Amino acid sequence: EAQVTQNPRYLITVTGKKLTVTCSQNMNHEYMSWYRQDPGLGLRQIYYSMNVEVTDKGDVPEGYKVSRKEKRNFPLILESPSPNQTSLYFCASRRESRTHQPQHFGDGTRLSIL
Amino acid sequence: GDSVTQMEGPVTLSEEAFLTINCTYTATGYPSLFWYVQYPGEGLQLLLKATKADDKGSNKGFEATYRKETTSFHLEKGSVQVSDSAVYFCALRITQGGSEKLVFGKGTKLTVNP
Repeated sequence: EAQVTQNPRYLITVTGKKLTVTCSQNMNHEYMSWYRQDPGLGLRQIYYSMNVEVTDKGDVPEGYKVSRKEKRNFPLILESPSPNQTSLYFCASRRESRTHQPQHFGDGTRLSIL
Repeated sequence: GDSVTQMEGPVTLSEEAFLTINCTYTATGYPSLFWYVQYPGEGLQLLLKATKADDKGSNKGFEATYRKETTSFHLEKGSVQVSDSAVYFCALRITQGGSEKLVFGKGTKLTVNP
C-alpha cells in the first residue's frame, strides 16, 4: 500500500531535549515536505526537499533541521525543542518535483513540548 | 507575497444543503490550485485540483473552477452529506526557477447535521 509513514504519532517531551520525527514514503517520490498545523493558522511549510541531498527552507524553518540522505526518508529534527513548537506536524511527498501532482500526506505527529 | 484566503468557519449545514466555501488567492505567477480535505484524526487528502485558468476540478460531487479574473477557486457541492463533515483547505503551488512554494489557507471546518 502506497503511504507516507510518520513516527511517532504522539510525543510529550520537555524543553531542550532533542527529538527526531521520522518520515518515510514507499512511493519512490522525489519531493518531500514538512508542515506544521496550528489553530487559526492552517498549514505552514517548514522545510522541503526536491530530491536527495537537496533541501530548502519553507515559511517557518526556525528551530528545525532536516536531512535527505536517501529518497524514501526525510526526518525532522528539533535540536532544542521549545513550547512554541507544540503543534501537529505533517510530512508529505509527491511523485516529481516541478509538476502539478498533488501531495500525499502522512497521518500526522502531535508534539507537546512542556 | 503569495497567499490564500478562505472564508472563516465553522460552517454548519443540514444534510442535502448546498455548500460554498470561498477561496481567493494572491500569487506572483501562475499557480496550481488545490482543495484538500482533512477528516478528524487524519492527514490531508487531495479533494480536487486545477492547473490553469478556467479548469474545473471535480471529485465526490465537489467542484471548483480556477477563475483567473477574480483570483478565486471556490469550492461547491450541491447536496452535502454527514460524511462530508471535515476541515477543508484551499492551497496554491507556485514554482519559480528551481524553487517551489506551497501555501495553504487557514482551513474551514464544515459540520453537516442529519
